[in-house]
Amino acid sequence: DAKTTQPTSMDCAEGRAANLPCNHSTISGNEYVYWYRQIHSQGPQYIIHGLKNNETNEMASLIITEDRKSSTLILPHATLRDTAVYYCIVQNPWGGSEKLVFGKGTKLTVNP
Amino acid sequence: DGGITQSPKYLFRKEGQNVTLSCEQNLNHDAMYWYRQDPGQGLRLIYYSQIVNDFQKGDIAEGYSVSREKKESFPLTVTSAQKNPTAFYLCASTPDTRLDEQYFGPGTRLTVT
Repeated sequence: DAKTTQPTSMDCAEGRAANLPCNHSTISGNEYVYWYRQIHSQGPQYIIHGLKNNETNEMASLIITEDRKSSTLILPHATLRDTAVYYCIVQNPWGGSEKLVFGKGTKLTVNP
Repeated sequence: DGGITQSPKYLFRKEGQNVTLSCEQNLNHDAMYWYRQDPGQGLRLIYYSQIVNDFQKGDIAEGYSVSREKKESFPLTVTSAQKNPTAFYLCASTPDTRLDEQYFGPGTRLTVT
C-alpha cells in the first residue's frame, strides 16, 4: 500500500506555479521522497527526489518540511505539457524492496 | 539516444492465446521490472530481474512468465492463464539493485477479447 496521501486532482493556470502537496507522516529516517509524473498513456517519468534538504533541478523544486512528514513539489511556471498525474512515493533505496509503490497520485490539469 | 523501448504500443489478442511483450534497454542497467497498470490505478509489480538469468515474482505474477537471457532484454509473456490480461504494461530499469530513479518505457496497451 502507498505510504503517501495526495489530493485527487488540482488545477493550475498556465504560467503560474503549481504546488503539489504530499503527506507522508509515517516516513522513516532512511526513506527518501520521490516524485514521478505520468502523462496520459505514457510511462512514468522521474522528476526529483530528496531526503531532508530542499532540492531543485531543471524540472521542479522539492520542499520537504523539517519533520519530513510532508513535502511539496513545485513546478515554477506550469505549461500545458505539465498536465499529468503526479505521484509522490517514499522509499528506502537500499531497503531491498524491489518496487516503487505508486498510489493514485494527483491529476494536475494546467489550463490556458 | 539511450532509453527503454517497448513494442508494440498497442496489441490485440484473442482470449486463450499467449502473447509476448518486448522490452529492450540500452542503458546498461542491471535491474529490470515489469508493471501492470489498470485504468485509474497505480502500478503493480509483475516480475523483476536484478541480473541476467535471474528473476523474481512480484505481487501479481500469476499468469505471466519472463526471461532474462540478455542484460538488455526482459520480455514478458502473458499466458492464457492470466484471467484479466487487458491492461497497460510498463517496463522499467534501474542502474543497479538500489531502487533509485527508475527509467520507464512508453508502455504497451494490451487488449484481449
